[in-house]
Amino acid sequence: KAGVTQTPRYLIKTRGQQVTLSCSPISGHRSVSWYQQTPGQGLQFLFEYFSETQRNKGNFPGRFSGRQFSNSRSEMNVSTLELGDSALYLCASSMMGQGISEQFFGPGTRLTVL
Amino acid sequence: ELKVEQNPLFLSMQEGKNYTIYCNYSTTSDRLYWYRQDPGKSLESLFVLLSNGAVKQEGRLMASLDTKARLSTLHITAAVHDLSATYFCAVDSYTGANSKLTFGKGITLSVRP
Repeated sequence: KAGVTQTPRYLIKTRGQQVTLSCSPISGHRSVSWYQQTPGQGLQFLFEYFSETQRNKGNFPGRFSGRQFSNSRSEMNVSTLELGDSALYLCASSMMGQGISEQFFGPGTRLTVL
Repeated sequence: ELKVEQNPLFLSMQEGKNYTIYCNYSTTSDRLYWYRQDPGKSLESLFVLLSNGAVKQEGRLMASLDTKARLSTLHITAAVHDLSATYFCAVDSYTGANSKLTFGKGITLSVRP
């Protein structure tokens, strides 16, 4: 069974630009959650999508948004990038939801903002 | 707001010895997860603990959950170098189907000969 895939794996952007990251969950999984990982703040929950609906949201500014498609693939978008957005962005998929069933993480997208 | 604390944040272990690391959390929950992360890599699921008194074992690692004490422990038996990594616990604060995981800061384990 193929795992969670994320593209691109690495990204370099400059301040003020916007970026879109993509996540393909494990086949049959309907929930996709996104996390930001930084050395200072650790792992922080961004949002969760289930059946194309945002089910839960963390404490991030509106510049961070996401969506989920009918095939469960998900994208997250960050607009007006700031230096502090440099991080590893992880997505995780699960069958029923991030707490209800086990989550499987993708390899991450490492975003560097210059 | 749910707070998850892991301690210690760094642990240097000697090969062959036993150790225990801890995960404390601040509100009622009976869903706790342990993950492992190697440097530069993603998170690997280790244990899923979904009830009070749950105990899971895999190889040299054993995890348990005490929901009354709001505490999970990860016990390491006869540490080996391959266990060097960062270990995260995550607690689910859920109401109905609305679920949200809060992660601890992680404990970095280093096994020395």
